[in-house]
Amino acid sequence: SQQGEEDPQALSIQEGENATMNCSYKTSINNLQWYRQNSGRGLVHLILIRSNEREKHSGRLRVTLDTSKKSSSLLITASRAADTASYFCATDFTGGGNKLTFGTGTQLKVEL
Amino acid sequence: EPEVTQTPSHQVTQMGQEVILRCVPISNHLYFYWYRQILGQKVEFLVSFYNNEISEKSEIFDDQFSVERPDGSNFTLKIRSTKLEDSAMYFCASSADRGGFYGYTFGSGTRLTVV
Repeated sequence: SQQGEEDPQALSIQEGENATMNCSYKTSINNLQWYRQNSGRGLVHLILIRSNEREKHSGRLRVTLDTSKKSSSLLITASRAADTASYFCATDFTGGGNKLTFGTGTQLKVEL
Repeated sequence: EPEVTQTPSHQVTQMGQEVILRCVPISNHLYFYWYRQILGQKVEFLVSFYNNEISEKSEIFDDQFSVERPDGSNFTLKIRSTKLEDSAMYFCASSADRGGFYGYTFGSGTRLTVV
């Protein structure tokens, strides 16, 4: 079945460093999206990359997509303590109807 | 920025009781969804809704669950005869188009605790 799996499961960095999270999936997608979730809170949409796109930027976020490897990465540059959260990739896969399949998430902790 | 609003933020209910979770999607969105997240687990798709009917549902969405758009603004999830394992965070989402070409907007969730 279609799944998104992120790695690492947990990441701890110092403020100012860059954080990179990866996501792998199994079948063809229409688009891939990244979401952030602060502990016990709602899902915040960060960025969407379509299957015909390879890279996208939004502020301090950079997302890449490699459809040949069925993988994506999320880079957060110059991290801040406020970036501490869980980050999920979610795929809208081809033929999957209009729904998202979420990954297991990466817990990012940014320390002062 | 437009928001998806969910109420209540927390609900505690006795096992066997019925609960209704409420959502106000973004006004010009046409597609509506419910997802749930059991503590420590993945966010899971429950159901999608378009043009006043269910367009897709997951295996989780059995006869215990129902959705309704009772008026032009609200979108509700009803869980009949709640079970302990229904305890989870329930998220409502909406999108302007099928497939979320422009992304989905999620609400902040309702934390349901069944005791």
